[in-house]
Amino acid sequence: EDQVTQSPEALRLQEGESSSLNCSYTVSGLRGLFWYRQDPGKGPEFLFTLYSAGEEKEKERLKATLTKKESFLHITAPKPEDSATYLCAVQANNYGQNFVFGPGTRLSVLP
Amino acid sequence: EAQVTQNPRYLITVTGKKLTVTCSQNMNHEYMSWYRQDPGLGLRQIYYSMNVEVTDKGDVPEGYKVSRKEKRNFPLILESPSPNQTSLYFCASTTGTMIGRAFFGPGTRLTVL
Repeated sequence: EDQVTQSPEALRLQEGESSSLNCSYTVSGLRGLFWYRQDPGKGPEFLFTLYSAGEEKEKERLKATLTKKESFLHITAPKPEDSATYLCAVQANNYGQNFVFGPGTRLSVLP
Repeated sequence: EAQVTQNPRYLITVTGKKLTVTCSQNMNHEYMSWYRQDPGLGLRQIYYSMNVEVTDKGDVPEGYKVSRKEKRNFPLILESPSPNQTSLYFCASTTGTMIGRAFFGPGTRLTVL
């Protein structure tokens, strides 16, 4: 069964303390892996798409990487405004337009 | 401004009373979908539509209906809501050429008593 898991479930960092979030997946052929940010009471906001192992994408303090089994979202020198839930999703080749989301990692960055 | 809108944003209803949650997008996107979000379970896809008059089931379609008569609108229908459909619902849209780069609506919080 295709599955997406994320760890840790929650993470508290001090401002400036870099860390990484993990997204592990098992799918029957990966078509794409996606990272989203979700603020409380709002819809998810798209961050990155990764298509193949070895690919990397960067945006401000965030960098996403992809291997054949997992993806990492690296957060460098985070600020309090980076506090949010980060969601990972995959689309498999046999899913058509169906996406499977992971449960998310809730990140808190303390000043 | 490119956006996905949903109405209502909050709804409290009773078991068995039919309801519709509307979703509209102004980006001329072909693909639209509905998700529900529950604590500990994450976002789960209910239904999706690849274009007008083309819809298909997601992971949790039981108890829901959808229609896609116009490209911009994708309403979610609960014919006979039950308490286990209490959840936070999101509509999303994307173009077929940018798979996964979805625009999400602000969410509809539904409570079924």
